[in-house]
Amino acid sequence: GQQVMQIPQYQHVQEGEDFTTYCNSSTTLSNIQWYKQRPGGHPVFLIQLVKSGEVKKQKRLTFQFGEAKKNSSLHITATQTTDVGTYFCAGPKSGNTPLVFGKGTRLSVIA
Amino acid sequence: DSGVTQTPKHLITATGQRVTLRCSPRSGDLSVYWYQQSLDQGLQFLIQYYNGEERAKGNILERFSAQQFPDLHSELNLSSLELGDSALYFCASSVELGQTDTQYFGPGTRLTVL
Repeated sequence: GQQVMQIPQYQHVQEGEDFTTYCNSSTTLSNIQWYKQRPGGHPVFLIQLVKSGEVKKQKRLTFQFGEAKKNSSLHITATQTTDVGTYFCAGPKSGNTPLVFGKGTRLSVIA
Repeated sequence: DSGVTQTPKHLITATGQRVTLRCSPRSGDLSVYWYQQSLDQGLQFLIQYYNGEERAKGNILERFSAQQFPDLHSELNLSSLELGDSALYFCASSVELGQTDTQYFGPGTRLTVL
């Protein structure tokens, strides 16, 4: 079945350093969504990418969808302690089916 | 606040017992999803309901069942509980059941099985 793989599983950075997490799917995705879960919290929707090669920015966060629509990345510039949490990518399995979530990348930011 | 409510927040019970987790979706959302999140694990999709009907099943054990009521709230029933069932259980809702729908997550119910 379809899998959504995320790497790395964990990332520790110094405050001010950049951070990137990668998401790869075994099949072509019609769209990909990114969610953030703060420690002790629940996943919160960040963004959705639909078009091949799409790039979207939210302040210090840059999201990309690969040309083949099989991979995506989230890049955070100059991390802050508020960026701490687990970042999940998610894509639909097939047809009108629910999202398949990656295992997430847990980001720790050392002040 | 996502608008999705879940009760209870915490639940501690013993092995072999049965519990019911409750979820109220955002106003206007027709789809409800249930997820299980164990320690250091991702979100395991359990089941989806849309407007009262079961729409998709994930890795849901036979000991688990769910339903969505006419008022669109949903309940997840976990029976013959085992230690390994201890986890965070999230409910999420979305407007429709389309692939592009954003899911809004509730605060979760933390289940501890002793």
